[in-house]
Amino acid sequence: GAVVSQHPSWVICKSGTSVKIECRSLDFQATTMFWYRQFPKQSLMLMATSNEGSKATYEQGVEKDKFLINHASLTLSTLTVTSAHPEDSSFYICSATGTGTGWIETQYFGPGTRLLVL
Amino acid sequence: ELKVEQNPLFLSMQEGKNYTIYCNYSTTSDRLYWYRQDPGKSLESLFVLLSNGAVKQEGRLMASLDTKARLSTLHITAAVHDLSATYFCAVPLIQGAQKLVFGQGTRLTINP
Repeated sequence: GAVVSQHPSWVICKSGTSVKIECRSLDFQATTMFWYRQFPKQSLMLMATSNEGSKATYEQGVEKDKFLINHASLTLSTLTVTSAHPEDSSFYICSATGTGTGWIETQYFGPGTRLLVL
Repeated sequence: ELKVEQNPLFLSMQEGKNYTIYCNYSTTSDRLYWYRQDPGKSLESLFVLLSNGAVKQEGRLMASLDTKARLSTLHITAAVHDLSATYFCAVPLIQGAQKLVFGQGTRLTINP
């Protein structure tokens, strides 16, 4: 299967700082990337959908000014957590997919980024 | 609003036993996914079920889909310790779309 990477895998930061997380598709062109957040012992919650070259679509309850998403190329999407606070500490997972009939049922997940805000 | 519910949420079982995890969803869907998650790790894709009556098997795991009942099952046969993990089912938010709604997860512990 296709490979999706995330960087960093772990980040610890002070409250009030901004953190950028990268999601890369390594061997395919990802026209769409999804960002999920997972709190400990809970399920994955979709935060936003990122399409290459256009603005991200955020799910209800997700602050777009706090979670900035950029999908500038077909292989890279970034999530920036601005002015992070301890309640933003979570496991952030991206997934990527392409377009076309062969992709409709396929999503590849990244390894996740664990964020701890002190 | 689409709801995806798994049952049970916690399951502790002994090696060698069989058990089934259930996934119910509230609206019509054209496909359903099963994923495995190990502690501290991301998701591993297990099965994609694309049609009513679809059945897929991989090793000791078998998944099935009944779109009329809006129910999928993940059956574990002769469980082994390595299958201990959290299992999620997921359904597209809208039929034909790629956004997924996940169930709560079933935390499976298999004891020797």
